[in-house]
Amino acid sequence: QQQVRQSPQSLTVWEGETTILNCSYEDSTFDYFPWYRQFPGKSPALLIAISLVSNKKEDGRFTIFFNKREKKLSLHITDSQPGDSATYFCAASVDSGTYQRFGTGTKLQVVP
Amino acid sequence: NAGVIQTPRHKVTGKGQEATLWCEPISGHSAVFWYRQTIVQGLEFLTYFRNQAPIDDSGMPKERFSAQMPNQSHSTLKIQSTQPQDSAVYLCASSPGTVNTGQLYFGEGSKLTVL
Repeated sequence: QQQVRQSPQSLTVWEGETTILNCSYEDSTFDYFPWYRQFPGKSPALLIAISLVSNKKEDGRFTIFFNKREKKLSLHITDSQPGDSATYFCAASVDSGTYQRFGTGTKLQVVP
Repeated sequence: NAGVIQTPRHKVTGKGQEATLWCEPISGHSAVFWYRQTIVQGLEFLTYFRNQAPIDDSGMPKERFSAQMPNQSHSTLKIQSTQPQDSAVYLCASSPGTVNTGQLYFGEGSKLTVL
């Protein structure tokens, strides 16, 4: 069964808009939640990550909001750019050293 | 730093043949992970090693898949009697493995096509 779920499966936004990508999980033992970005033909690369001790993590235009009670996260991309077009994966692990379970990804297209 | 190196980048095998994929992790990283990626299944965990020791192979199809890490500079994933459903991009990743440093550094992948 899918331990990490993402929605929507795909999304198209206009340049300059704020993009919101959603992620949820079931296992309450997960405590580390990285987001990876994958461009076509490339491998996933870490974008931003949050742990259980935080409710929010910000890095430039990228912000993770974390609702621990509901086991939900969201990745917000402000001022979305065409260069942000990629597939975004949410992942989760039990502490940062064990293997990460990946969601099915959200394919984002930013239209100029 | 060359990053995680995977070879071959592309491999085509016939059904029933064997395929061996190689991974050289980033020097100094103590953890090595194998995943496979397909359109249908997404990113699936296969197995991982820490300090060369196998830690968890719960994602490996047991009968035909095996992985080894004979030394700290390389790991191999072997698939025996390949089947068309094994076609995927096999990704190797390494991680420093220290506390609160969970970033996975992925290689460029080995695309396996089983005819």
